[in-house]
Amino acid sequence: DSGVTQTPKHLITATGQRVTLRCSPRSGDLSVYWYQQSLDQGLQFLIQYYNGEERAKGNILERFSAQQFPDLHSELNLSSLELGDSALYFCASSGVVGNYGYTFGSGTRLTVV
Amino acid sequence: GESVGLHLPTLSVQEGDNSIINCAYSNSASDYFIWYKQESGKGPQFIIDIRSNMDKRQGQRVTVLLNKTVKHLSLQIAATQPGDSAVYFCADIGRDNYGQNFVFGPGTRLSVLP
Repeated sequence: DSGVTQTPKHLITATGQRVTLRCSPRSGDLSVYWYQQSLDQGLQFLIQYYNGEERAKGNILERFSAQQFPDLHSELNLSSLELGDSALYFCASSGVVGNYGYTFGSGTRLTVV
Repeated sequence: GESVGLHLPTLSVQEGDNSIINCAYSNSASDYFIWYKQESGKGPQFIIDIRSNMDKRQGQRVTVLLNKTVKHLSLQIAATQPGDSAVYFCADIGRDNYGQNFVFGPGTRLSVLP
């Protein structure tokens, strides 16, 4: 167990639908990052939150949004889903500067049919 | 923009041989690098890291080499085992006051042949 918890592990949904992926960071970590990994592809950075505020944005579609709550858990919302959104979605968390460590969760596998 | 990339997308080695996975980075200001291993269906796991003031660091069966002159990083796995089969990512880590900003390479798939 890495300490980063992602739910659900698997999700199957239809095109056009909306889903919410949840991430609980490692205890004490303030930063949460979301990544998308399509089949046999690398990790594509989507978005970072730090202590409840958005800090960095990567290649995140307008149909996607995220937030980090006061208890530091984060949710990634994917709407108007398309077949191409099928992928593994990873959450990672890290501490503050000087406390190196970037821990990944086990991911949520999203299948859009 | 800045990028981290890998020379070889796939690598096949015989069990018991040594493996070398390469990575190039372009940000000359990078000061910290990590290698991750990702097994099928799992999240990336930390293997070994190295700071820019070092040129070599050894772990258990793994060694990371850093050549800052040519901005090249490599991961060496000694006596490769079937359990080493995975995708390996290098990551270039920048820092700001809000945490860490990772740039991942595309990954190299290591296949261990019996």
